Amino acid sequence: DAGVIQSPRHEVTEMGQEVTLRCKPISGHNSLFWYRQTMMRGLELLIYFNNNVPIDDSGMPEDRFSAKMPNASFSTLKIQPSEPRDSAVYFCASTLDGGHNNQPQHFGDGTRLSIL
Amino acid sequence: GQNIDQPTEMTATEGAIVQINCTYQTSGFNGLFWYQQHAGEAPTFLSYNVLDGLEEKGRFSSFLSRSKGYSYLLLKELQMKDSASYLCAVTDSNYQLIWGAGTKLIIKP
Repeated sequence: DAGVIQSPRHEVTEMGQEVTLRCKPISGHNSLFWYRQTMMRGLELLIYFNNNVPIDDSGMPEDRFSAKMPNASFSTLKIQPSEPRDSAVYFCASTLDGGHNNQPQHFGDGTRLSIL
Repeated sequence: GQNIDQPTEMTATEGAIVQINCTYQTSGFNGLFWYQQHAGEAPTFLSYNVLDGLEEKGRFSSFLSRSKGYSYLLLKELQMKDSASYLCAVTDSNYQLIWGAGTKLIIKP
């Protein structure tokens, strides 16, 4: 079975540029999560979708961050304009029913983002 | 506020046993997860507890006491490949997953 697929695996870009991260959840999963992980702050939930609808975006740092889920098999996280403090590993995870059935979240391999 | 506490780092010897503790204060409780994360990789699911008691899965076991807000992950017959971070996460009353900062486990020969 294919797991959660994220692209790109690595991204290095200059401050001010737009960055788009992509995620394909596991087929059949209807909940999708975007996380950011740094040494200082650990794993932080940015936003999560249930049935393609954003449910909780309280973790999105500021207006420079936006996320979309146009269909059940694709989501994007966009940063515009990017800043050096956005450098982190960004993970996408998916599960069934937002965890209400206590199914674990399955993580993609992450995107390692470096903003110079 | 919601809070999950784990030791930052632990060291153990190959072949030994280690217990990683997790205490939590959350608004409600709907289950507790343990994940393993090797350096540079994604977290992977290890175990889930919702009822009090011990869940055993091979060399790994996880214990829960809801009345004490406490869990531990027990790793037996440690192997070098067990060197990783171990994250405790609790599902609150809104089914939101609250993550601990993780415990970095170092295994020495």
